[in-house]
Amino acid sequence: AAGVIQSPRHLIKEKRETATLKCYPIPRHDTVYWYQQGPGQDPQFLISFYEKMQSDKGSIPDRFSAQQFSDYHSELNMSSLELGDSALYFCASSLDGNRGLSYEQYFGPGTRLTVT
Amino acid sequence: SQQGEEDPQALSIQEGENATMNCSYKTSINNLQWYRQNSGRGLVHLILIRSNEREKHSGRLRVTLDTSKKSSSLLITASRAADTASYFCATDNKGGGSNYKLTFGKGTLLTVNP
Repeated sequence: AAGVIQSPRHLIKEKRETATLKCYPIPRHDTVYWYQQGPGQDPQFLISFYEKMQSDKGSIPDRFSAQQFSDYHSELNMSSLELGDSALYFCASSLDGNRGLSYEQYFGPGTRLTVT
Repeated sequence: SQQGEEDPQALSIQEGENATMNCSYKTSINNLQWYRQNSGRGLVHLILIRSNEREKHSGRLRVTLDTSKKSSSLLITASRAADTASYFCATDNKGGGSNYKLTFGKGTLLTVNP
């Protein structure tokens, strides 16, 4: 079965540079979530999209922005990178919970961002 | 604020033994999901249990949910060395839109010794 695809898998950037992470959800999944996992930490919710509209926002810095495109893939843009942004960034997809139920979220393999 | 708290933080057992991990949460939920993560790798979805369910099975996994105590447990029977990983529970919280962001616990690091 098709899974969530993320690219790149690894990314090394210097401080103050920008980075763009991409996520391709499971076919027919209309909701995308982004999570950040620091070393030894649990994943933290950043932002989510449904039908190309932002639907919820968590602890996402103002330096980060994201969007979902017409083909449902999503991109997380990170500017003015800081050392503390080094983390694993996960994308997850699911069916929309507007049906009155919440559904399984399936995670991609993650992008490991290292800021030097 | 932390929604899910796992207990124990670390668990070391021998192959063939059963492993039980517990998770507590604070607010009302729609469902609770368990994930496995090998070191530095992706999160693998194991099982989802809804708030109106009390127990669910999937292969060697058994999950229970007690909404009155706001707790869940994950039992892995007949453990194998390949089960060595971190296990997270995650509860859903409906955000401003229609979908449900997940709040994760700190995780239990399970080590299964051959």
